[in-house]
Amino acid sequence: EPEVTQTPSHQVTQMGQEVILRCVPISNHLYFYWYRQILGQKVEFLVSFYNNEISEKSEIFDDQFSVERPDGSNFTLKIRSTKLEDSAMYFCASRGTSGAQETQYFGPGTRLLVL
Amino acid sequence: GESVGLHLPTLSVQEGDNSIINCAYSNSASDYFIWYKQESGKGPQFIIDIRSNMDKRQGQRVTVLLNKTVKHLSLQIAATQPGDSAVYFCAVLMNSGGYQKVTFGTGTKLQVIP
Repeated sequence: EPEVTQTPSHQVTQMGQEVILRCVPISNHLYFYWYRQILGQKVEFLVSFYNNEISEKSEIFDDQFSVERPDGSNFTLKIRSTKLEDSAMYFCASRGTSGAQETQYFGPGTRLLVL
Repeated sequence: GESVGLHLPTLSVQEGDNSIINCAYSNSASDYFIWYKQESGKGPQFIIDIRSNMDKRQGQRVTVLLNKTVKHLSLQIAATQPGDSAVYFCAVLMNSGGYQKVTFGTGTKLQVIP
């Protein structure tokens, strides 16, 4: 079964520091996403990425956030200057066709704690 | 805009019974719907999806029903098992201006009583 992987699984950082969260989507997928889930709250959409550019972003995805696909396999989310309220679980997802069905798969998430 | 809501925050079901989890959405232009299962400490897991040109889709022990008239989506789990205990939430997607907007529901916690 194909899977999306994310590193690190946990990240602790000081407020104001930059963090980079990494994701390896499923290899033949073309659509990539970042979501976050603050503890006890619902999943929130951050950004979608297709054809090497952002296709959609939410109001959460401000200038402090950026995404990049630096090579053919990695998909990264960078937070330039972290704030306390950025503490959350960050999920990467990719979407593509598996068999006859187009499906979205989530990674296991990176738990980010900003102190 | 799009709002997605769930009718019940917690659902307790006896093992072996069927479970029904509901989701309401507000934008009639929504055209793709997904149900996810999220176990504690894990990422969401895709369960089943349905497009707006269908009103029913079946998977293994799961059925999704879509009623576009009342903008309502349900997930039915047959013969619920303890391993089904998790939070279930719907995602509602819509193509808008060439982009895809996605909104998630808050989730229903399914508790299976052995």
